[in-house]
Amino acid sequence: AQKITQTQPGMFVQEKEAVTLDCTYDTSDPSYGLFWYKQPSSGEMIFLIYQGSYDQQNATEGRYSLNFQKARKSANLVISASQLGDSAMYFCAMRERLTGGGNKLTFGTGTQLKVEL
Amino acid sequence: AAGVIQSPRHLIKEKRETATLKCYPIPRHDTVYWYQQGPGQDPQFLISFYEKMQSDKGSIPDRFSAQQFSDYHSELNMSSLELGDSALYFCASSDNTGASSYNEQFFGPGTRLTVL
Repeated sequence: AQKITQTQPGMFVQEKEAVTLDCTYDTSDPSYGLFWYKQPSSGEMIFLIYQGSYDQQNATEGRYSLNFQKARKSANLVISASQLGDSAMYFCAMRERLTGGGNKLTFGTGTQLKVEL
Repeated sequence: AAGVIQSPRHLIKEKRETATLKCYPIPRHDTVYWYQQGPGQDPQFLISFYEKMQSDKGSIPDRFSAQQFSDYHSELNMSSLELGDSALYFCASSDNTGASSYNEQFFGPGTRLTVL
């Protein structure tokens, strides 16, 4: 079974600074996908960024970038120029193939990010 | 762009009652997933449907059942509700035809179920 580990239950960052949220994973499947989702206090799950196991370059989406180190099995999310609206819970997730032919997402325990003035 | 729609957004039930949660996936998405997120927990996969057929089951209790209809909407039926069923229930949909290289799952806003 696949496993996602997020070791930072909570993080604080000052507005306009960059912050790195850690994520490590464990899988025996050579083909996998890694996702980051943002969950504000309102509860919705917002897709941020994706990294495929065969992607040669680190993914970037606006202020979000993924520091993918395959040999170390880590996929850290970097948020640049933090904004107050970035305060939320952030989940790292891995797409896992299932026996029925489909797939599911396995989530880490999340990191609560608080952006301060 | 159209998103995943879930109804109701909030639901309050008593123990031992039943509940039905509805999900309308993004048009032309062929796969629907249900997740349960308990308070302070990460989402846990319950069940998925591909082209209206159940494809995989996760940690879904026997008291729960789900189906996907001909119009692709899905319903999660929950019977004999327990206090521990209080959670945020997400539906997600994805396009697994290969049109999207990510096959990312787009989540609905969730249904917050409270069992009293």
